[in-house]
Parts: sequence; structure tokens; C-alpha cells
Amino acid sequence: EIVLTQSPGTLSLSPGERATLSCRASQSVSSSYLAWYQQKPGQAPRLLIYGASSRATGIPDRFSGSGSGTDFTLTISRLEPEDFAVYYCQQYGSSPPHTFGGGTKVEIK
Amino acid sequence: EVQLVESGGVVVQPGGSLRLSCAASGFTFDDYTMHWVRQAPGKGLEWVSLISWDGGSTYYADSVKGRFTISRDNSKNSLYLQMNSLRTEDTALYYCAKELRYFDWLSLFDYWGQGTLVTVSS
Repeated sequence: EIVLTQSPGTLSLSPGERATLSCRASQSVSSSYLAWYQQKPGQAPRLLIYGASSRATGIPDRFSGSGSGTDFTLTISRLEPEDFAVYYCQQYGSSPPHTFGGGTKVEIK
Repeated sequence: EVQLVESGGVVVQPGGSLRLSCAASGFTFDDYTMHWVRQAPGKGLEWVSLISWDGGSTYYADSVKGRFTISRDNSKNSLYLQMNSLRTEDTALYYCAKELRYFDWLSLFDYWGQGTLVTVSS
């Protein structure tokens, strides 16, 4: 089972700043099957990025994903007020189980 | 509009049983693999189980294998999770989630319900 480690645990930033979130896998993630989800308090998660770098339907282009192998990054180019939330990475593919990282909370500084 | 509505969450004693349901609408239910994902209070996400579009394949997380059973009724556009031998560590919000692509089971979730809360406590 692949273990995903996200860092930092909490990121304190101001609106308009750039956010860089990291997700490191314990072994190589095949075919870059790495996704990112956003979760706001009291809401279900929302798919942002899949295939490491493809934006899901309706996701603004200020969200971008990159990386391959064991190191992946989610970048929010300019934080909007609605972007303050918890972000999870997830590895997926044809062989369950598919694990999530522990999450990074992006909070207002 | 895709809608997933979970129900069945209650307070149950350790060792007890419970059946969760998820009513789906707004898409061709029998074309998609469906999943259960849970989130313990204040914690992260944990994938629990999946069932293929035709019910022919099921997978479980090791933490629930042998205790939980996933099923579906395509004639009713409904997904179920039978939970037996419940433990305190099963306490969580249980989400029903839809697979992004039809006839696939990559565990990539594009729609989620709002969840149903299961509390295991004496």
C-alpha cells in the first residue's frame, strides 16, 4: 500500500499569495495517477486535479498540479478567499486500496 | 444534475450492525463504479469499498474486510453498505462517491454525497 505524506500540515497565507502544497509517496505512483481534492468545513471533498496535472471540470486555472514518480505539488497561483480549505492528495488506479494523504490546511494569515 | 443522498447513519453499540444506503440520480447509475469513503471526526479521508457498475467486482480496505459488504441495486439506482461487527474506530461520516469515468474503477471521485454519520459507542 502506498503511503502519501503531505506537507506542510498547515500553511498560513494571505489572499493574493501563492500556495505550494507537497505530496510525497512511499513508492512511485504509476502513470501519475495522483489526484488532489479540496474540502471546506461541513462540505464533501471536491476533485481539483487528476493525472497529476489535469484540472477537473470547472476548476479555475489558478489551480495547477505537477510532479511524477514520488513527488507531487499542488500550486494555487493567487489565493482567493474561497480557497482557504483543507487539501488532500490521493493515489488512484486499477488496484485498490487507494490511499489519501493526511491533508494540508490552508488558512488565512 | 448528479445527486447522491446517503442515509442510515445512527448511534450503534460496539459489535452491532448497520446498513447504509445511497440514492443516486442525474446520471446513468449502472454505467458507473460506486464507492464508500469515510472520514472520522476531525480526521482525513479513508477509502472503504468499491463496487463495479454491474456489481460483479467488489474491493474493500483491509480495515473493514470481512465485516462490511457493499452492494447495489441498479433497478433502484441505489448503493448500500452493510456494516457488521462495528468497532469504535468505525465512527465516521460515510460518503457515497461516484467514479469519474464510466466502466472503470480507478477510484477517482467526481461527485460525492453529503455523508451520513455513524457513531459506534456504548
